[in-house]
Parts: sequence; C-alpha cells; structure tokens
Amino acid sequence: QIQLRQSGPGLVRPSQTLSLTCAISADTVSSDSVTWNWIRQSPSRGLEWLGRTYYRGQWYNDYAISVQSRITINPDTSKNQLSLQLNSVTSEDTAVYYCARAPSSGRFFDYWGQGTLVTVSS
Amino acid sequence: QSALTQPPSASGSPGQSVTISCTGSRSDVGGYDHVSWYQHHPGKAPKLMIYEVTRRPSGVPDRFSGSKSGNTASLTVSGLQAEDEADYYCNSYADGGRYIFGTGTRVTVL
Repeated sequence: QIQLRQSGPGLVRPSQTLSLTCAISADTVSSDSVTWNWIRQSPSRGLEWLGRTYYRGQWYNDYAISVQSRITINPDTSKNQLSLQLNSVTSEDTAVYYCARAPSSGRFFDYWGQGTLVTVSS
Repeated sequence: QSALTQPPSASGSPGQSVTISCTGSRSDVGGYDHVSWYQHHPGKAPKLMIYEVTRRPSGVPDRFSGSKSGNTASLTVSGLQAEDEADYYCNSYADGGRYIFGTGTRVTVL
C-alpha cells in the first residue's frame, strides 16, 4: 500500500524558510508514471496546489504562480522522498501542508500524506 | 490564477440529493476532462471521490456522481447520509501544467 509520511517543524518564524519532507513507501520518487505534489489548506484560502516534481528522463518542476518566486520542490532519490522549501514566509503561509501523488495517466491526487500544520509566528 | 468558484454551502436531509457546482474557464474546467472532487473532513487528508469528471475510485459509493458542461463541473450526492457531511473541493488541471482547486463547499446533512 502506498504511503506518504511527512515530517518537518510545525513552527516557523516570519521571513524564514519553511521546510518539509515527504517519505514515500511502495512507490518511487523517480517513477516516470506519477508526479509528486505539495498542496496546502488554510481556513482563508481553502485548498491550494503549490507545485510538483516529476521524472521523465530528467527532472521537471511546475509551480503555482502565487508562490513561484519563493518555492522549491526537490526529489531525493537516495532517501526516496521529496522536499518542500518555501522562503520568506509570512502569516499568510500558515496552513496544513500535504504531499500528494498524481498518476500521469490522470490528473488527480490519489494518495495523500497525513498533513503537517505549519504556523508562521514569532 | 483564481480559484474555481463553488457555492460556500449546500444542505439536504438524509436521503435527499445535493448538487455542488464548480465554475472555471476555458483554461481549466472547460479545456480539460481532468476535473476531480475531494471530500475533506477536518483533521484528515482529503479523499478522492471523483476523477476525470465522472469516474469513481474503488470504494467510493455510487451515490457520488460527477458531470461537466462547458466551464462548469458538478458533483451530485444522492441519498445523503450523515457521514457525507464534510467540505467538498473540486480541482481541475489547467494550462501550464498547473492545478486549480475550487473555493470549497460545506455540505450539511440536516
């Protein structure tokens, strides 16, 4: 059974960098038949897709316009995981963050991590 | 890159039906048959209920159905049950390899 297990700090200071990881079981980050995504949910903004990474002979990334100047999603093939970095955070970045898998045969999210509440506060 | 538009709330008595709309544009909902719907209970990860506009994943009751016309997709929940009370979000693949979620609809079972 595919499992995504997230880890990372729950509190980040304003202007600092938010960093989360998502460890993958029963699939591989370098699979050429899926994409790996980060999504967040907040009361004010609902669900928001942040970006994705995927391998198709080489690594590709796509990012949401709203965060593209501040976000980096990286695969780690040695640990079979992906990471999220979001720079220069503000209180607007306070949210529950999820990693999620999308099969390339479709455009939907079929497996999700457990979610990580990240609060931006001094 | 605006969120897809959903009504904030919908409600029905047990056994009734509710339909939730999801309105976008030709760049997302209208341009792709890649609309999916997610059920979200607080404190849990969202659950895929419908994908590719009309398809149901294994294990999702056939009370849940999806459709699309032009730039608007819809989710219908028939035979409402208490456990259907949750937030529902649509999502569409969009131009540029991006995804856009809807604003979310809280479904209340009266």
